Amino acid sequence: KNEVEQSPQNLTAQEGEFITINCSYSVGISALHWLQQHPGGGIVSLFMLSSGKKKHGRLIATINIQEKHSSLHITASHPRDSAVYICAVNEGGADGLTFGKGTHLIIQP
Amino acid sequence: NAGVTQTPKFQVLKTGQSMTLQCAQDMNHEYMSWYRQDPGMGLRLIHYSVGAGITDQGEVPNGYNVSRSTTEDFPLRLLSAAPSQTSVYFCASSTTGGYGYTFGSGTRLTVV
Repeated sequence: KNEVEQSPQNLTAQEGEFITINCSYSVGISALHWLQQHPGGGIVSLFMLSSGKKKHGRLIATINIQEKHSSLHITASHPRDSAVYICAVNEGGADGLTFGKGTHLIIQP
Repeated sequence: NAGVTQTPKFQVLKTGQSMTLQCAQDMNHEYMSWYRQDPGMGLRLIHYSVGAGITDQGEVPNGYNVSRSTTEDFPLRLLSAAPSQTSVYFCASSTTGGYGYTFGSGTRLTVV
């Protein structure tokens, strides 16, 4: 079973700061997902990565397959970025996702 | 395009009662799955299906039953509710191979 670890568990930052959330996993994967969950809300898929780097607006996700590590970066953070960010991995498609416990991010104005 | 629709959004059950959480998707995704989310535990896979007529157990299947009679629907049944099943439940669908997940809005279940 893949072990997915996220750090930090909690992060409070000021508006405008550059944010980094890390994810490591123990077993080789076919894809890694970054998800966002607002308080009391549903889960939204931000990125799916199998290699390299992806960018969407102020969000950037990278993955290093050899090191079994991924990072999610937020540039010019804003209070609306406050949410739980969840890393999840897929080992081969059919058997579901294994999740990290999430990083609770608060961006203060 | 509704995506993944879960009902109900909230439910309170008494211990021993049974109920079905509904999940429907309109994206023609082959793969559907159910997860539960508990504080400090993260999301955990309950059951999944790779297509109509095919289901399998995930990490925490005990006390739950599923069926997949159509591509669109994947209901989750609680056979005899227990307080330990108090949780938030999410249904998700994805393309074959487990890429591009779409999640439902969740069902908050309380068993008293």
